[in-house]
Amino acid sequence: TAGITQAPTSQILAAGRSMTLRCTQDMRHNAMYWYRQDLGLGLRLIHYSNTAGTTGKGEVPDGYSVSRANTDDFPLTLASAVPSQTSVYFCASSLGVGTGELFFGEGSRLTVL
Amino acid sequence: DAKTTQPNSMESNEEEPVHLPCNHSTISGTDYIHWYRQLPSQGPEYVIHGLTSNVNNRMASLAIAEDRKSSTLILHRATLRDAAVYYCILRDYSGNTPLVFGKGTRLSVIA
Repeated sequence: TAGITQAPTSQILAAGRSMTLRCTQDMRHNAMYWYRQDLGLGLRLIHYSNTAGTTGKGEVPDGYSVSRANTDDFPLTLASAVPSQTSVYFCASSLGVGTGELFFGEGSRLTVL
Repeated sequence: DAKTTQPNSMESNEEEPVHLPCNHSTISGTDYIHWYRQLPSQGPEYVIHGLTSNVNNRMASLAIAEDRKSSTLILHRATLRDAAVYYCILRDYSGNTPLVFGKGTRLSVIA
């Protein structure tokens, strides 16, 4: 079973360039999330989506944008990357924002130089 | 968001039980207690959750204090594969509030 698929697995990006991290789920979950995890720290919520067509801001939304055109996909875009956005990014989904366990992807490691 | 407090790290011997504590003194009536764990180089995975009563599943047990201001995740026999960061999280089922992770407890298992 695929569950959550993230791409790319790893990427090195020059500062100032744009980048889109892709996330796809095949569980027909309504809610999707993006978290970032810096070395040795816990996860911080960037953006989330209750359902297709809606998005919300998390703890650290600045510098990131998301869209939810359909149920399955939830891409995260960095319009102009900065070194402080070097992190591991995890996408997750759940039945609803307030219900169901979260299923996580394997993560996308992004290095901004 | 209601917050939780966990020790930064704990250590256990292999094959012994592990009790991971979590304090959540400001828990509200609609908050469920969730536990996730994150193995090295992987995304977090769900472990268990409960509201008031103790809960058991194939991975662990969750013991919830009568006043719900604390809980304990119990791994009955720790294995090397259980070495991970364990997150205790309160989840409000009354609204559309996403999960917010803290720093968790890093569990080391010694062979």
